[in-house]
Formats: sequence, C-alpha cells, structure tokens
Amino acid sequence: AQRVTQPEKLLSVFKGAPVELKCNYSYSGSPELFWYVQYSRQRLQLLLRHISRESIKGFTADLNKGETSFHLKKPFAQEEDSAMYYCALTWGTSYGKLTFGQGTILTVHP
Amino acid sequence: KAGVTQTPRYLIKTRGQQVTLSCSPISGHRSVSWYQQTPGQGLQFLFEYFSETQRNKGNFPGRFSGRQFSNSRSEMNVSTLELGDSALYLCASSLSAGNTGELFFGEGSRLTVL
Repeated sequence: AQRVTQPEKLLSVFKGAPVELKCNYSYSGSPELFWYVQYSRQRLQLLLRHISRESIKGFTADLNKGETSFHLKKPFAQEEDSAMYYCALTWGTSYGKLTFGQGTILTVHP
Repeated sequence: KAGVTQTPRYLIKTRGQQVTLSCSPISGHRSVSWYQQTPGQGLQFLFEYFSETQRNKGNFPGRFSGRQFSNSRSEMNVSTLELGDSALYLCASSLSAGNTGELFFGEGSRLTVL
C-alpha cells in the first residue's frame, strides 16, 4: 500500500535561513508527488507538483526515486511561509485520490 | 470565479443519526473528491466522483456513501454516526479525472458527533 511520511510535525526556522521539509513515500509504481499548503485561515491549496519541475514562491522539490523522497526546499525562508505543509502522492490518472502525509507546521520567526 | 462551496459549515449530531454534506465544485469542474481530516489520522481519502460515477473509494466502512449529480454537485452521507466520525470533511474539485493534479479545496464541513 502507498504511504507518505513527513517525519517532522513541527519545524521552526528564522527568517532568511534555509528550510527543508522532508517527505518520504512508499509506492511500488511511478507516483505523482505534490506539495499542498494551508496558510492560517485559508483553504488547502496546491504549492507545487513534481511533474512541473517549477519553483513556486521560491520553493522547489526534487523527486528522488532512489531514496523515495520529495523534500521541499527554500534557500531563504520568509515569515509569510509560516503554514502547514502536506506532501501528497497519487498514481495513474485519477488525481482526485491523494494519499497525504501527516503534515509539517512550519514557523518562520522574525 | 467562485471557489468550492461546502454546506453546512458546522453541524452537531448525536450518535446513531445520519448526516448529509453538500459540495458545489468550481464551475466547469467535473471531478469531485471527498476527504476526512482528523487530528489523529490526518487527511484521508473517502471518494472520488467524475461524471456521476464513483471512480475511487477509500478505506471507509459502508456507512460512508456519496453521489454526484449531473451538474457535478456532490453529496456525501454518513449513516449511524459514531463518535469517531467527528471530523472536518473536505471536498475538492478539479477539471477532470485526468488533469495535471491540482485539486481545489473547499473550507470544509465540521461535524461533531455527541
């Protein structure tokens, strides 16, 4: 069965410091990986997806199939990055069925 | 463009009752998914509907059911409520079942079972 693990429930950094939110997955096939974010009092929303290989709000994530990881990184954290971050996995063509990790609460201190 | 709308936003039920939650997707979106969010289990997939057909179902008991109408609006029903059904139920819509993966979430319906 597929599984997504986010080992850190809480992560605190200072403004301007690099940040890395870890995500490991288990799935025997070829997964599609996503990062979703929920800012305070806002809806859960897509941050980025690995197939796009894009940088959003300075965040990047690389799919490492050898280590089955999809860590989210940003070189210089900003206070507005404080939020709950979820790593999610799906497969096939039904993107409505996501398997989420437990989430990491990121706090960026001034 | 209006976002995903879920009603009711909050509701309180007692054990043994049933509840129906409604979701109106973004206009033009034909795929609707439902998730249960709890502090202990996190976000768990319930169902996915596309063109009135259930495409996928999560690992939940048969007390949890859903449907989708021809206008893409969706409802989910939970019968014989248990205390453990207390959760935030999130609905998400997307353009189609085979799109690039972006789900648009509603604000959720918070169910409390007493």
